Amino acid sequence: DQQVKQNSPSLSVQEGRISILNCDYTNSMFDYFLWYKKYPAEGPTFLISISSIKDKNEDGRFTVFLNKSAKHLSLHIVPSQPGDSAVYFCAASGGEKLTFGTGTRLTIIP
Amino acid sequence: DAGVIQSPRHEVTEMGQEVTLRCKPISGHNSLFWYRQTMMRGLELLIYFNNNVPIDDSGMPEDRFSAKMPNASFSTLKIQPSEPRDSAVYFCASRTTRRGEQFFGPGTRLTVL
Repeated sequence: DQQVKQNSPSLSVQEGRISILNCDYTNSMFDYFLWYKKYPAEGPTFLISISSIKDKNEDGRFTVFLNKSAKHLSLHIVPSQPGDSAVYFCAASGGEKLTFGTGTRLTIIP
Repeated sequence: DAGVIQSPRHEVTEMGQEVTLRCKPISGHNSLFWYRQTMMRGLELLIYFNNNVPIDDSGMPEDRFSAKMPNASFSTLKIQPSEPRDSAVYFCASRTTRRGEQFFGPGTRLTVL
């Protein structure tokens, strides 16, 4: 039973345009959400997070939006750059553990 | 600063053999997590430790899997006997605060023939 779902296995975006990655969750006890980025042959690295008391958090080109009523969060990357090509994992926490989605492979087309 | 260190980076073994994966967390981090990554299930938490004590091992798939953390700077994940379906990338991660971000190692790619 996947409590965190990333329904798009892959996404291709033109360089300079906006990339939008989506994530849905089912557990209403989740109150902290994170995005991780993963390059091949490396471990995931933390990108940005958001607490359930907020609906938006911004860090440079990266913005995460949280819609608690819809149990949905999204990561916006603007503008997209070739170095953003990676697998992005959404993760959720209701305590000490993180529950990860299956990831979305983002490809930025030059 | 050194990040999380995992060894070996790659392991190829035959079915039935014992496999031991190793992890050195970031110094000062008091929580350690073992994950397995597969295409179908993404990143799955296997077990985690707080202050060297196993807290939750509900993600360990079978009794063939065991994990130890004898001290704050070392942990092992052992599979005995290994099976082809154990083939995956295994990650170790550590964290300093209860709700903070986790820092991942580079992973061990395990192939069981």
